[in-house]
Amino acid sequence: SQQGEEDPQALSIQEGENATMNCSYKTSINNLQWYRQNSGRGLVHLILIRSNEREKHSGRLRVTLDTSKKSSSLLITASRAADTASYFCATVTNYGQNFVFGPGTRLSVLP
Amino acid sequence: GAGVSQTPSNKVTEKGKYVELRCDPISGHTALYWYRQSLGQGPEFLIYFQGTGAADDSGLPNDRFFAVRPEGSVSTLKIQRTERGDSAVYLCASSLNVAREQYFGPGTRLTVT
Repeated sequence: SQQGEEDPQALSIQEGENATMNCSYKTSINNLQWYRQNSGRGLVHLILIRSNEREKHSGRLRVTLDTSKKSSSLLITASRAADTASYFCATVTNYGQNFVFGPGTRLSVLP
Repeated sequence: GAGVSQTPSNKVTEKGKYVELRCDPISGHTALYWYRQSLGQGPEFLIYFQGTGAADDSGLPNDRFFAVRPEGSVSTLKIQRTERGDSAVYLCASSLNVAREQYFGPGTRLTVT
């Protein structure tokens, strides 16, 4: 079963708007990571948030983590057409080190 | 090297054949991961190595799949008696250490006809 599940599955917004994606998971984690994948390309690491952190920023990206709800959110502010991609969350658990990716959110930013 | 490289970029094979997919990780990265990804899906974990040993191979779907990393650097994913259902993009990633951010290669697109 999926450890990470992103929501929504697809999101379409206008350039300049903010995009929010959510990730839910099931078991205790060591950290949670967000990745981006452009069509036909490899995954690119965006940000890592540890289980003892609640919020992290990187440029236009803001990630929050709520371990009590087993959920995380990724906010992209002032979106650009180049942000069009699939976004995945991945969890690293405490009892096993394998990465488990969710099915992803497909973000379309319209110019 | 500059990044994770994978060869070949594309592989077309007939059902029942044997294939090898190669991954060359970033120099100095001790952890190496294999995933496969089907269209519209997230990467599915297959196996990861810490150094030369397979630390977790729980994602390998069956005994037709095998992976090695004999010198703790380059890894080879081997698939015997390929089936059409094995068709996917096979991704390799490496990280400095376990639980750190992963750097992905461009993938090998495997098509079994």
